[in-house]
Amino acid sequence: DGGITQSPKYLFRKEGQNVTLSCEQNLNHDAMYWYRQDPGQGLRLIYYSQIVNDFQKGDIAEGYSVSREKKESFPLTVTSAQKNPTAFYLCASSIAGVSGSYGYTFGSGTRLTVV
Amino acid sequence: GQQLNQSPQSMFIQEGEDVSMNCTSSSIFNTWLWYKQDPGEGPVLLIALYKAGELTSNGRLTAQFGITRKDSFLNISASIPSDVGIYFCAGHREGQNFVFGPGTRLSVLP
Repeated sequence: DGGITQSPKYLFRKEGQNVTLSCEQNLNHDAMYWYRQDPGQGLRLIYYSQIVNDFQKGDIAEGYSVSREKKESFPLTVTSAQKNPTAFYLCASSIAGVSGSYGYTFGSGTRLTVV
Repeated sequence: GQQLNQSPQSMFIQEGEDVSMNCTSSSIFNTWLWYKQDPGEGPVLLIALYKAGELTSNGRLTAQFGITRKDSFLNISASIPSDVGIYFCAGHREGQNFVFGPGTRLSVLP
């Protein structure tokens, strides 16, 4: 079955550490996205990529970094510069990026907690 | 950035009741989507709307693309316990990413 896989489901980070969240899709989608969700809040866009080796900052990119070396993969690194990283992180993909109105397929999320 | 407002923020209903929620914007959108998020999971697409005035159903769910293109509505008939979750609307304009609303949290009481 095609889908989008995020790992791990739960992640704990010590203060000052960088951590990387994995996102893999086998839907052959061109565009991929990272969102942050805080309790009781909506989805805020961190980074997105419409094509391999290219990505753009979203609304809250500070303290995060991404790479898009393969079409299937879009890992997110939460750096020590992110002051409040505890949140639920969602990865999504779509057939086309801003040029299309196709809906996003979401992964099941990674819950990151700073300890 | 663009903002979507969802109303109500949260609602508690009895099992079997019908539910109505809406999503409004100050901007015009060409596509409206409705997603449902179960606790601890990612959102799942429920209904997609592509034309002003369009009315689309998916089982007990019915959604409408507002005539002004600035709003959309979602109705759930005869609610059941598994309807519990957060319902998000999302709007799209050409050349931009989807914008998501803050969500409506639905609780169903037995």
